[in-house]
Amino acid sequence: QKEVEQDPGPLSVPEGAIVSLNCTYSNSAFQYFMWYRQYSRKGPELLMYTYSSGNKEDGRFTAQVDKSSKYISLFIRDSQPSDSATYLCAMIKAGGTSYGKLTFGQGTILTVHP
Amino acid sequence: DVKVTQSSRYLVKRTGEKVFLECVQDMDHENMFWYRQDPGLGLRLIYFSYDVKMKEKGDIPEGYSVSREKKERFSLILESASTNQTSMYLCASSSPGRGSPLHFGNGTRLTVT
Repeated sequence: QKEVEQDPGPLSVPEGAIVSLNCTYSNSAFQYFMWYRQYSRKGPELLMYTYSSGNKEDGRFTAQVDKSSKYISLFIRDSQPSDSATYLCAMIKAGGTSYGKLTFGQGTILTVHP
Repeated sequence: DVKVTQSSRYLVKRTGEKVFLECVQDMDHENMFWYRQDPGLGLRLIYFSYDVKMKEKGDIPEGYSVSREKKERFSLILESASTNQTSMYLCASSSPGRGSPLHFGNGTRLTVT
């Protein structure tokens, strides 16, 4: 079983829809959580970063972390065609020998159609 | 803005060749990483380095080596390229601190024929 599970989709939504992307994890040592967006033929770019339970908002994007349930989400409001990309969740453990190493989900392919 | 630059976007090599992938970052980051990304397998860590001349194996180091002679540059070496090393290779860097997020380059798509 993978430490981080993410539904690969693909997910197709109409423009203006609210998108919900989710990851679950199995190891409570994960303490730092990120969402990356990756456009086709590009490297992943950091979208959201959080290390505490609760919500963090940045424009149309909201990252949510529930450590008790080992569950993280990314919400996109008023989705746009330019949001079409692969979204990767990633997390880092607080201890052990995993210094600075990210564990990624599989990535969810999102298409927002006009 | 952090900039991580990978020297080649696309590379085609023959089986058995020695291949060098170069990566440079301009933010004075201590940590640098090499990942490969394959459909269905996601991103997998090959090697990382948290200081000049220091290196640590990641999850899939077999068939690869790395070199970090200067802080800003991290090279991935395929000693004898094989077809199963055809992949997208991503370099990343981060500042010190366990929870620091990674900043990625745009990747090198390597094809080994």
